[in-house]
Amino acid sequence: TQLLEQSPQFLSIQEGENLTVYCNSSSVFSSLQWYRQEPGEGPVLLVTVVTGGEVKKLKRLTFQFGDARKDSSLHITAAQPGDTGLYLCAGIKAAGNKLTFGGGTRVLVKP
Amino acid sequence: EPEVTQTPSHQVTQMGQEVILRCVPISNHLYFYWYRQILGQKVEFLVSFYNNEISEKSEIFDDQFSVERPDGSNFTLKIRSTKLEDSAMYFCASSVTQGRQHFGDGTRLSIL
Repeated sequence: TQLLEQSPQFLSIQEGENLTVYCNSSSVFSSLQWYRQEPGEGPVLLVTVVTGGEVKKLKRLTFQFGDARKDSSLHITAAQPGDTGLYLCAGIKAAGNKLTFGGGTRVLVKP
Repeated sequence: EPEVTQTPSHQVTQMGQEVILRCVPISNHLYFYWYRQILGQKVEFLVSFYNNEISEKSEIFDDQFSVERPDGSNFTLKIRSTKLEDSAMYFCASSVTQGRQHFGDGTRLSIL
């Protein structure tokens, strides 16, 4: 069974603080994706990382794929209340196209 | 931006009944998927569909489940003889290639 474990499950911080969400697995993934999900909506893709060691930036969000392609992190700099939401990581194995999701990290940014 | 649309948004069904969840994928997409999310649990892959046949399915996707693309626009998930544990959010997704999957907003299925 391919498992992706996200930590922490819940994170509450003040506006302006930084935060990091982790996504770890014992399996190698060909790519890893980060999604954000709002209540009552489906997951929306934020970024895909493919190469081991890859770093991608999306405004104040920085995504990193581990060298061994088993783990990833999402770092938010100077968090805003608008960053509040559920963040999901999901991996794709080399064979096939199914997404294996982590359990999600619920982020609350208080003004 | 084109969207994946799912209907109904909420379906309430008596245990033992059959339900059909409907999805309209993005029009030029070729790969279609169903995922489900039981309340408080992870999003789980159910099945992928390409070229009018199932390309991959999970252990969850047993004989109780079936998928169909009855015409050029719809993609359906049928659940026969529903059980209480089938209660979940069911998400449809589609993709052009084996790449980015676009998700619908889901159907909440409640089995009574």
